[in-house]
Amino acid sequence: DAGITQSPRHKVTETGTPVTLRCHQTENHRYMYWYRQDPGHGLRLIHYSYGVKDTDKGEVSDGYSVSRSKTEDFLLTLESATSSQTSVYFCAISGRQGSTDTQYFGPGTRLTVL
Amino acid sequence: EDQVTQSPEALRLQEGESSSLNCSYTVSGLRGLFWYRQDPGKGPEFLFTLYSAGEEKEKERLKATLTKKESFLHITAPKPEDSATYLCAVSPTVNDMRFGAGTRLTVKP
Repeated sequence: DAGITQSPRHKVTETGTPVTLRCHQTENHRYMYWYRQDPGHGLRLIHYSYGVKDTDKGEVSDGYSVSRSKTEDFLLTLESATSSQTSVYFCAISGRQGSTDTQYFGPGTRLTVL
Repeated sequence: EDQVTQSPEALRLQEGESSSLNCSYTVSGLRGLFWYRQDPGKGPEFLFTLYSAGEEKEKERLKATLTKKESFLHITAPKPEDSATYLCAVSPTVNDMRFGAGTRLTVKP
C-alpha cells in the first residue's frame, strides 16, 4: 500500500456544478498526478504537480484545474462539471522500488455527472 | 504520436494454460515500460519496469520481456487469482506516462 487516499470514493453530481476531488499521501513524495480512466481509452493524464504550488498540464486538462498548497494534498477541481467528465479518477505518486522508478496509484474516485 | 496498443482486449484461459499478453508501442523515446495489474474497483498495482530491449523481469507466474517495439507479459500455469486487467504503459519523457487500454484476463478453474 503506497499510502495514498482519495476522497470522496463515489460522487454523483449535476451538470454545471463545481466538484473537487482530494488526494492525500503520507509518503512525502514530490510528484503527484491526476488521471482519468474510461473504457477503451486507458488511463489519461489530466494534470501533475512537481512540488507545492508547482503544477503542469497533462494530455486531457481542458475543464480541470488543480492546486497543491501542501506536499501531502493534491486537489482536482472540475469548474463546471459536464457529462463527458463522468469517469473514474485516480491519483498517483511517483516513487522508487529498489532501483526502479514507477508510479503508485490510489483507490480511485468514481464520479457521475447527470 | 506516442501510442500504446495492447492485445488481445480479453483473454480467457483454463487454469494451468500458459499464454502471453502483448503491448506494442510507438514513442519518440523510451525512458521505461511499465506493467500494472488492476482488479475491479481498485487502482492499478505496480508489477514491473523494463528499461531496455532484451531486459526480462519475473515475479511468481509472470515474466515480462521487452524488445524495441513491444513487450510481452508471459503467464505460466495461471491460477484463478491471476484474473485481472493487465495494463501496459510507456514513459517517453519525465512525468509523461501513456497507457494502453488493457487486457482483461479471466482464468477458469
